[in-house]
Amino acid sequence: NAGVTQTPKFQVLKTGQSMTLQCAQDMNHEYMSWYRQDPGMGLRLIHYSVGAGITDQGEVPNGYNVSRSTTEDFPLRLLSAAPSQTSVYFCASRPGGAFGTEAFFGQGTRLTVV
Amino acid sequence: DAKTTQPPSMDCAEGRAANLPCNHSTISGNEYVYWYRQIHSQGPQYIIHGLKNNETNEMASLIITEDRKSSTLILPHATLRDTAVYYCIVRVYNAGNMLTFGGGTRLMVKP
Repeated sequence: NAGVTQTPKFQVLKTGQSMTLQCAQDMNHEYMSWYRQDPGMGLRLIHYSVGAGITDQGEVPNGYNVSRSTTEDFPLRLLSAAPSQTSVYFCASRPGGAFGTEAFFGQGTRLTVV
Repeated sequence: DAKTTQPPSMDCAEGRAANLPCNHSTISGNEYVYWYRQIHSQGPQYIIHGLKNNETNEMASLIITEDRKSSTLILPHATLRDTAVYYCIVRVYNAGNMLTFGGGTRLMVKP
């Protein structure tokens, strides 16, 4: 199993450009989420989903959109990139239900907005 | 979710036990203590979790005080590969909410 796969690994955008960060998991997990991590800081939750067709905002949702049309995929869209969105983005998934515990993280997408 | 307090950094000699403390004085009765670590710039990795009993797995041991207001993660024989940022997280077990990360403890294992 591949686990949680994020693409691309690196990306440079110009201010105002839009793009989609991809996240796919092959573990049939119900819950998926996106975090950003700024240099020297902990992870902050952007958006999350508890199942296909259901999404909700996290701590820092502004400037980002998400959708969950399938269990496997949870793309993160930057509508109009800004330098403040320069960060490392991590996608995570975990099983839902009463026995959901461990979260699995992707290897991250390093985004620079110039 | 209850907030946690961890020291920003710690050192440990290779081969010795690393004891990482975490304070969570406002923890509720249905909140679990989770530990994750992040090696260099990789995605966080789950280590262990517990409610009130001490827990042990192949990676580490988790000691939770009787009043549950603090806990300690123990890496019994630290290696250089254990150098990482360790996050203590408190959350409700079965909620749809996601993990909330604080600043963590940067553990440096030295030869």
